[in-house]
Amino acid sequence: EPEVTQTPSHQVTQMGQEVILRCVPISNHLYFYWYRQILGQKVEFLVSFYNNEISEKSEIFDDQFSVERPDGSNFTLKIRSTKLEDSAMYFCASSTRFVGSTSPLHFGNGTRLTVT
Amino acid sequence: KQEVTQIPAALSVPEGENLVLNCSFTDSAIYNLQWFRQDPGKGLTSLLLIQSSQREQTSGRLNASLDKSSGRSTLYIAASQPGDSATYLCAVRPSNDYKLSFGAGTTVTVRA
Repeated sequence: EPEVTQTPSHQVTQMGQEVILRCVPISNHLYFYWYRQILGQKVEFLVSFYNNEISEKSEIFDDQFSVERPDGSNFTLKIRSTKLEDSAMYFCASSTRFVGSTSPLHFGNGTRLTVT
Repeated sequence: KQEVTQIPAALSVPEGENLVLNCSFTDSAIYNLQWFRQDPGKGLTSLLLIQSSQREQTSGRLNASLDKSSGRSTLYIAASQPGDSATYLCAVRPSNDYKLSFGAGTTVTVRA
């Protein structure tokens, strides 16, 4: 069964460094999302992306964050200058249609980001 | 703002017992509700998606019900097995935007 793949599975970085988290959504999906889960907390929405632009973003997704679909298969999340509080599991997700249709959201296994 | 609550936070049952997991949400204006399974250190696996117009969805041993007016959904897992041990999350999509609001999850342990 097709799946969303994320790399790396674990990333350790120093505070202030830039990180890029990578995702390959399911190939026929059109809508892409990033969510994150801080240890012990709820999964929370960061951003949704469709047709090469952000369709919605949360208050967490400030100017330090950006997303890009650099080619036909990859979807990336960049954090420009990481802070300690950015440490979390970051999940990429995709769907064939916007969330709210009959299309469920498919999640990747996540990238655990540790900022030291 | 939509708040999603899952009770209990943790549950331990002997193998073979039926599981009942609860999810409640504060705003009944939802588009759909999705149940996920999360294994430790892993991603989220979609189990069932219920549209707001539906009362329940079934897949194998899993059955999810939705009572939109009272803001509740229940996930039933019949004849539990040790392999069902995981955290189960419910997530609600409100009618007026795209982002899912998640509950904190119920961590299930099925004892052999």
